[in-house]
This record gives sequence, structure tokens and C-alpha cells, in this order.
Amino acid sequence: QVQLQESGPGLVKPSETLSLICTVSGGSISPYYWSWIRQPPGKGLEWIGYIYYSGSTNYSPSLKSRVTMSVDTSKNQFSLKVNSVTAADTAVYYCARWYCIGNTCYHMDVWGKGTTVTVSS
Amino acid sequence: QTVVTQEPSFSVSPGGTVTLTCGLSSGSVSTGYYPSWYQQTPGQAPRTLIYNTNTRSSGVPDRFSGSILGNKAALTITGAQADDECDYYCVLYVGSGIRVFGGGTKVTVI
Repeated sequence: QVQLQESGPGLVKPSETLSLICTVSGGSISPYYWSWIRQPPGKGLEWIGYIYYSGSTNYSPSLKSRVTMSVDTSKNQFSLKVNSVTAADTAVYYCARWYCIGNTCYHMDVWGKGTTVTVSS
Repeated sequence: QTVVTQEPSFSVSPGGTVTLTCGLSSGSVSTGYYPSWYQQTPGQAPRTLIYNTNTRSSGVPDRFSGSILGNKAALTITGAQADDECDYYCVLYVGSGIRVFGGGTKVTVI
């Protein structure tokens, strides 16, 4: 059974870079699409973007200028970086796997438990 | 930017039926938006209820169903139970690989 685990610093200073890793266990990172999603305290979910196991990416237009995703197939991990963070980036960050058939992806079928990141000095 | 709209809240009686909707700030939702619905209980990661408009995810009770109603995607809960009280989110594919979450609907069973 595939499991995802988010890891990274729980506290980031304003203007610095938030860095998270999602480790995939119980299965392979290929040939799947993987996403990051976040949820500010008391608010709704926000799709940040996705990365294919080959490294191709697509980001939410609202975050595109500050977000970078990458994949390390040798470690079965993918990562998220958000630069120039502010308090508005404080959220629970989830990683998730997409269920796809061919080139059509339908839903995120496996989720990590989420990790809380607070932006504060 | 595309905004996906959901009712902020809904109340339903135990055993009752409620239909949540998922629309677009501009335009109509069709099957080509591949609507999916997620359920989230407090402190937990979301789980998929419905994908590709009306396909129930594995293990999801058949009291949950998805459809297109008018110009929106819809999630209907038939025979609501107490543990259906939580938050529900839709996700739409808006093109160019981009997905957008709706703002979520908080369902209360009273």
C-alpha cells in the first residue's frame, strides 16, 4: 500500500524559502503525477501544482512565480520550494498522488497526512 | 483567474438528502472539467468521494453520487448520516494542466 510522508521545517522566516519533501513508500514514484496542496488555518484547500515522475511540472497561476517542484526518482521523493514567503503561506501542506488513465488524470487517490508550516520571525 | 464556487454551508436532517454544487465564476461546468469531490474531516487529509463527474471512489457508500445539474457539477448525499458532517470540496480541471479547488462546503447534519 502506497504511503506518502511530508517532511521539512515547521517554521520559516518571512522572505525566506519554504522547502518540503514528500517521500513515497510502498510503491514507485513512476509513472505517476504528484501534487502539492495546502490549507491555511481554518480555510479551504489550494492546489499548488503537480510534477510528473519525469520532471515536467505545472503550477497554479497564483503561485507560479514563487514555486518550484522537483523529483528525485532514486530516492522516491519529490519536493516543493516556495520562495519569498509571507504569513499568508502559513498552512498545512499535503502531498498527493494522481490517479490517471493514459493522459487523463481524474483525482488524487493517495494523500500524505500533511505537515504544518508556520511563517513567522 | 478561474474561481470555482461552492455553497459555504448546508444543513441536512438525518436521513435527508442534500445536493452540493460546484460552479464557475464564468461559464458552465461540463464533464470535460473532470469534476471530483473530496470529503475532509477535521485534522485529516481529504479523501476522494467522486471523480470523473460520477464515478464513486473505492469504498465510498452509494448514498454519495455525482452529476452535472444545469451548469454546475453536483454532489448528492441521499440518506445523510451523522458522520457525513464535515467539509466537502470539489476540484475542476480548467485547462492547461491546471486544477482549482472550490472554496468548500461545510455540511451540518441536524
